[in-house]
Amino acid sequence: GAVVSQHPSWVICKSGTSVKIECRSLDFQATTMFWYRQFPKQSLMLMATSNEGSKATYEQGVEKDKFLINHASLTLSTLTVTSAHPEDSSFYICSARDLREVAYNQPQHFGDGTRLSIL
Amino acid sequence: RKEVEQDPGPFNVPEGATVAFNCTYSNSASQSFFWYRQDCRKEPKLLMSVYSSGNEDGRFTAQLNRASQYISLLIRDSKLSDSATYLCVATRGFPGNQFYFGTGTSLTVIP
Repeated sequence: GAVVSQHPSWVICKSGTSVKIECRSLDFQATTMFWYRQFPKQSLMLMATSNEGSKATYEQGVEKDKFLINHASLTLSTLTVTSAHPEDSSFYICSARDLREVAYNQPQHFGDGTRLSIL
Repeated sequence: RKEVEQDPGPFNVPEGATVAFNCTYSNSASQSFFWYRQDCRKEPKLLMSVYSSGNEDGRFTAQLNRASQYISLLIRDSKLSDSATYLCVATRGFPGNQFYFGTGTSLTVIP
């Protein structure tokens, strides 16, 4: 099955540090990847849609200058949390859709998530 | 109003029990629906898609009622390994790109 790899799986940083999270599709190509954030006991919230070769589309309320997204190839998207603060501590998950699965009723393939803790 | 709403539970059931989860979605333009399973501190994993005609996969049965805008998941003969959080998903946009998750329903199957 389709595999999405996310790295790192766990990050602990000081406040003010910028953190980069990578999302890779290992056995398929994805023109579109998605970034979610999940706080404890809450649902996954879509932050942005990452489009290969173009600017990401951010959901309402998500600061694009705070969460920088780069989707430079069909298999890699990165999310950089700039100048992270304790309130940015969360579980960040990416997902991707196989380029060949361009139809309704196709699920997204999720990475295994990155747990970010800002001290 | 949230796009997708679920009863968070928790549901604590004995092994072998049948348990049902319901989920409602607010936007009638929602196109596709899924149930995902999420274990503690892990990523969501696809459990099954949900079709209008209803569909079954082993002990799991999913139903969709577009008129009432609700989705259900039935688990028969619960196993200990079924303990997890079950997430309901509705999609919108082209081609069904925007995934909207419910908050999840927690299930614990007790020996």
